[in-house]
Parts: sequence; structure tokens; C-alpha cells
Amino acid sequence: KAGVTQTPRYLIKTRGQQVTLSCSPISGHRSVSWYQQTPGQGLQFLFEYFSETQRNKGNFPGRFSGRQFSNSRSEMNVSTLELGDSALYLCASSSQGQSYNEQFFGPGTRLTVL
Amino acid sequence: AQKVTQAQTEISVVEKEDVTLDCVYETRDTTYYLFWYKQPPSGELVFLIRRNSFDEQNEISGRYSWNFQKSTSSFNFTITASQVVDSAVYFCALSDRNYQLIWGAGTKLIIKP
Repeated sequence: KAGVTQTPRYLIKTRGQQVTLSCSPISGHRSVSWYQQTPGQGLQFLFEYFSETQRNKGNFPGRFSGRQFSNSRSEMNVSTLELGDSALYLCASSSQGQSYNEQFFGPGTRLTVL
Repeated sequence: AQKVTQAQTEISVVEKEDVTLDCVYETRDTTYYLFWYKQPPSGELVFLIRRNSFDEQNEISGRYSWNFQKSTSSFNFTITASQVVDSAVYFCALSDRNYQLIWGAGTKLIIKP
């Protein structure tokens, strides 16, 4: 069974630009969660999608948005990038949801904002 | 408010030593789940265990064991006879009433050969 894939793996952007990250979950998984990981703030929850509906949202500004498609693939978008958005963005999939059972994580997308 | 505290920022031990990673949580809920995840240097987090609040039995899986104590709101993780491959950052997490995971800051474990 293929694991969670994330594209791209690395991204360099400048302030003010926008970016879209993609996540393909494990086949059959309906839940996709996104996290931001930084040395200073640690692992922070962004949002969770389940069957194309946003089920949970973390405490991030509206510049961070996401969606999930009918095939469970998910994208997250960050508009008007700021230097502080530089981070490792992790995607995780699970069959029932992040708080119900184990999540499988992708390798992450390393975003650098200059 | 829900909170997970991993007070140990970094632990360094010599291979074959036993090591315990502490996790203390705060919640007003009576039903909740606790998790441990491992993040090796490669970066991908790996699930280790899930425990629900009604199951206080300790769990053992090979060299890994978990001690869940509701009385002290702790869910500690012990590695017996540590190996270099155990070097990683370990995260403890708590599910809240909104079915969202609250993560601890993580403990970096360094196993020296």
C-alpha cells in the first residue's frame, strides 16, 4: 500500500506570494490533517478534512486555507506569505480521523519564505 | 483548557540504558485518547500507541512500554535497553472534546553508541 505523499518536497517563495501544497492520502483513508512544524512553535494543527468537509480548524489566520477532493486528495493554500510561514508542513491521513485512530504522516513540504 | 506537557526537552543516554519519557496532560473530559508518535531524523512521524481514558492497563510492545496513570494525569513512555535507532523526537498528544489533537512540545532522545 502506498504511503502518504506530499508535493512538492521543497519550496522557496518570497513574501507576499501564495503557495499551494498537495497531499495524497493512503488509499481508502477519508481523513486528511495538516500540521505546521517549526523549531519555535513545535507541531501545530492547521485543519482536518473528512470526506471533503472541514471537520476541525486550528488557530491560524484566514490566509491558511484548504480543501479536500472527492478522491480524498487534499490541498492547502497559504496566501500573502510572511517570513514566519517558513516551516515544515506535514500532512497525515487516517481512516476515521486524527483523534480516533492512528495517523500516517507524509514526508512533509519544507517551505522557505524569503 | 486542554494541555500536554513534555517537560524533558532533550534526553541523552548511552546505548542499552533504559529511558523514560514523561508526558503530563490536562483535560476536563472524562473520555479522551492519548497518543505517542515518533519522529526520526528522516522527518516522518510514526504512530506508536493510542490509549483511551478508560483503559489504564499498561502496555508493552517489545522494548517499549507505556504507563498510564489517571491519578497523576500522566502517560509515560519507557524504552528498555535503548538502541541508537531509537534516537528521535517523541511526541505525546491528547484528543480534546472537539476531536482535535493537542500536541506536546516533544522530547528529543539521543542514544549514544
